[in-house]
Amino acid sequence: SAVISQKPSRDICQRGTSLTIQCQVDSQVTMMFWYRQQPGQSLTLIATANQGSEATYESGFVIDKFPISRPNLTFSTLTVSNMSPEDSSIYLCSAYWGGVNTEAFFGQGTRLTVV
Amino acid sequence: AQSVTQLDSHVSVSEGTPVLLRCNYSSSYSPSLFWYVQHPNKGLQLLLKYTSAATLVKGINGFEAEFKKSETSFHLTKPSAHMSDAAEYFCVVSAGGGADGLTFGKGTHLIIQP
Repeated sequence: SAVISQKPSRDICQRGTSLTIQCQVDSQVTMMFWYRQQPGQSLTLIATANQGSEATYESGFVIDKFPISRPNLTFSTLTVSNMSPEDSSIYLCSAYWGGVNTEAFFGQGTRLTVV
Repeated sequence: AQSVTQLDSHVSVSEGTPVLLRCNYSSSYSPSLFWYVQHPNKGLQLLLKYTSAATLVKGINGFEAEFKKSETSFHLTKPSAHMSDAAEYFCVVSAGGGADGLTFGKGTHLIIQP
């Protein structure tokens, strides 16, 4: 199975600031995704992190608020910009290798609290 | 477009009794379906997945699920609940086997009574 490391694991941030979350996978991966899990809620897909091109965002999420980078096949970052208390959530990175017998693996998540 | 509806937000069973967590899906394509489990303060773990092979899928820890196309359902079952099964369970759908991201249901909180 894959190992996906996210940093930081948790943070408390002031409103109006930005936080960059890093996701490192232990092998080259086809697809990487970012999800948000708001308190007591399910996971919502934010965007697909595309290697070498701009991320593909889901409805309701925009690049100015959640810029994403993916410089290579094992690493991605998600920035939460100009934070407000409503951005307090767990942010999860996911990796998928493709093929019938593979599955999506998830990082442990970054628990963000905005005060 | 695809969506998942988990019919129960909470399910409570006694230890040793059967577990049934219900899930209905909607998809424009032949879907891939998954069940994930999330224990408190732990990461997501895949229980099982359906990707157009056998309709009865066996997963880890004694769980299984049956894909019923006519009913658009993918219910999760276990014959005998264990205290360690207490967790949040997510039914998940994907049109591309996971390559286009996953659509999660709202989750079912499973409570095991001693």
